[in-house]
Amino acid sequence: GEDVEQSLFLSVREGDSSVINCTYTDSSSTYLYWYKQEPGAGLQLLTYIFSNMDMKQDQRLTVLLNKKDKHLSLRIADTQTGDSAIYFCAESIDQGGKLIFGQGTELSVKP
Amino acid sequence: DVKVTQSSRYLVKRTGEKVFLECVQDMDHENMFWYRQDPGLGLRLIYFSYDVKMKEKGDIPEGYSVSREKKERFSLILESASTNQTSMYLCASSLPGGGVRTDTQYFGPGTRLTVL
Repeated sequence: GEDVEQSLFLSVREGDSSVINCTYTDSSSTYLYWYKQEPGAGLQLLTYIFSNMDMKQDQRLTVLLNKKDKHLSLRIADTQTGDSAIYFCAESIDQGGKLIFGQGTELSVKP
Repeated sequence: DVKVTQSSRYLVKRTGEKVFLECVQDMDHENMFWYRQDPGLGLRLIYFSYDVKMKEKGDIPEGYSVSREKKERFSLILESASTNQTSMYLCASSLPGGGVRTDTQYFGPGTRLTVL
C-alpha cells in the first residue's frame, strides 16, 4: 500500500540550512506537499510541487523532487527559531482528495 | 481567507461517554476529513466525506462514526469513548482535485481530547 516515511527529529543551529527528507511509495502521485504544524495548532500548507517538476523555490524554501528514487526534500535556508515546528510531507494518491501523510519531522532550532 | 473551525480546542470526557466533535468550513468545499494525530504515527485518516450525506471509511474507523447533513459541517462521533481514543483530532477540507487543481487540504486548529 501507499506509505510515506520521514525521520522523526532534526536539530540545527540558527542561521544554518535545514534539510528535511521524505520518501514515498506511490509512483502515480500527482502532487506532493509540505505542511508545517506549530505547537498546539493545526497544519498549515507551506508549499507543494507537481510531480513533473524537479524543483520549486519559494523565498527561503526549496523543494527537490527525485521521482526515480521517490524522494522529496524541503530545504529551509537561514533557519530561524520561528521555524521550530513539525513538518509533514504528504502525497496525493488519487484525484479524489485523499492525502497520505508521513509521520512528521520535528525541527528544533537552537540559538 | 480560508477558515476551518473546530468546536473545542480541549475536551475531557469519561470512559463510556458519547462524544461529538464538530468541524465547520466556510469555503464551500466538497471534501471533508477527520484525522487523529499521535506522536510518532503522524496523521491517520478516520473518515472522510465527498459530499453531503456521503461518508467513506479511512484507515482507522473502528470506534468512530461521522455525520454530514450540511455541506459546511462534518461531525465526528465517538459512540462510547475509551482511553485509547485520547488524542489530537484534526479536521480538514478541500476541493476535489484533478487536472491542474491540487488536493490541498486546509486544516482546523485541532481538538485535544482526553478520555479518563
